[in-house]
Order: sequence, then structure tokens, then C-alpha cells
Amino acid sequence: GAVVSQHPSWVICKSGTSVKIECRSLDFQATTMFWYRQFPKQSLMLMATSNEGSKATYEQGVEKDKFLINHASLTLSTLTVTSAHPEDSSFYICSAQTPGQGVEKLFFGSGTQLSVL
Amino acid sequence: DQQVKQNSPSLSVQEGRISILNCDYTNSMFDYFLWYKKYPAEGPTFLISISSIKDKNEDGRFTVFLNKSAKHLSLHIVPSQPGDSAVYFCAASVGGSSNTGKLIFGQGTTLQVKP
Repeated sequence: GAVVSQHPSWVICKSGTSVKIECRSLDFQATTMFWYRQFPKQSLMLMATSNEGSKATYEQGVEKDKFLINHASLTLSTLTVTSAHPEDSSFYICSAQTPGQGVEKLFFGSGTQLSVL
Repeated sequence: DQQVKQNSPSLSVQEGRISILNCDYTNSMFDYFLWYKKYPAEGPTFLISISSIKDKNEDGRFTVFLNKSAKHLSLHIVPSQPGDSAVYFCAASVGGSSNTGKLIFGQGTTLQVKP
């Protein structure tokens, strides 16, 4: 199946700093990528939809100025958590959908565990 | 508001027996359901799906049942194998299989299959 690479796998940062997470589709071009967040014992929650060459669409309650998404190429989307605080500590995971394919062709990265001290 | 719920955080079964993982949803607009499997340090991978126009879909050892009136679906694994030990997520969407990928996930159930 298609491969989606996500880096870093885990990151620890100080409160107030910014953290960038990368999501790459390795063997296909992804016009659309999705960013999810999972708090402990909760479900994966969609944060935003990232479209190549255009602004991301954020879900209700997600601060677009805090979670900056850039999808500058067909194989790379980045999520930057700006001025991170301890409450932003979570598991972040991206996914990319094979163009023209159904939702079964949605491939996930391995996720990033963010810990903000 | 948790629209998709997996009320059992964990399940332990013996190898060779049946594993039944359950999922409930509240939004009657959902018309497509998927199950994903996740190993540690890896992303979820697609396992099996079902459209709301069906009540059963089978793929090898995996069968998904959908009860629309009860807003309930279940994943049956028969026979269970130790390699099936993982976290299983159910997910739902609106817009059928051509949905653009906006999925609503449950919390996940950790399955342990004992040799």
C-alpha cells in the first residue's frame, strides 16, 4: 500500500516554543491531507483538511493561528504548533488520500507524540 | 459530543476463538463505516468497510455487521490469531466511499489475542 511518512515520531519542547511536524506521501501525490489529534483515551479528532496550494480548512474549535498548516507541494504538508503550551501535548497524526480513490485509500502516518513542558 | 463510541477499551481472547469488537454511533447521517487496525508506532491501516445499504461485509477472517436501527456495528475476527493483537478503531463518514476523507473515529479498542 501507499506510504505516508511523518516526522518526528516524538518531540519534547518547552512551553512557548513552536514545533513543526512534517507529513510526506512517499509514493503518490496527495492533493489533500488531513491532520488529526488524539488525547489519551479519546478518539482521533480531525483538526483540519490541508489542500495543496490553498488555505487549510479547520474544524470547529481548532485555532488556525495556533495550528499553522502549509501544503506547499503535492507530497508534503506541515503542521506547526505555535507557542505550544502543556495543554497542546497530544498525539498528532496525518493522513493522505490517494487522488480519485475512495476513503479506503486513506493512508496514515505513524503519528507524532508531542509533550510540552 | 462523541458521535462514534467504542465502549470497550480492551478485549482479551484466546487464539482460535472469535473476537467481537463493538462500535455505536449517534449520527443517522453516517452512511459509510470503516474499521482500522493500529500497531504501536505505526499509523492506522484500513481493514474493512461497510456501506449503510448493507448489513454485512466479509473479507477472509474479518466480518463487519451493521445494525442501522440500533446504530451499532461490530467487527468479528474468526479465528483470532496472535498477530491480530492491536488497537482497532471504527470510523464513520458521510458521503459514502467517495467521501473526501473526513472521518469520525471512535476511541479504539485494544485487542489482545493470547496464544
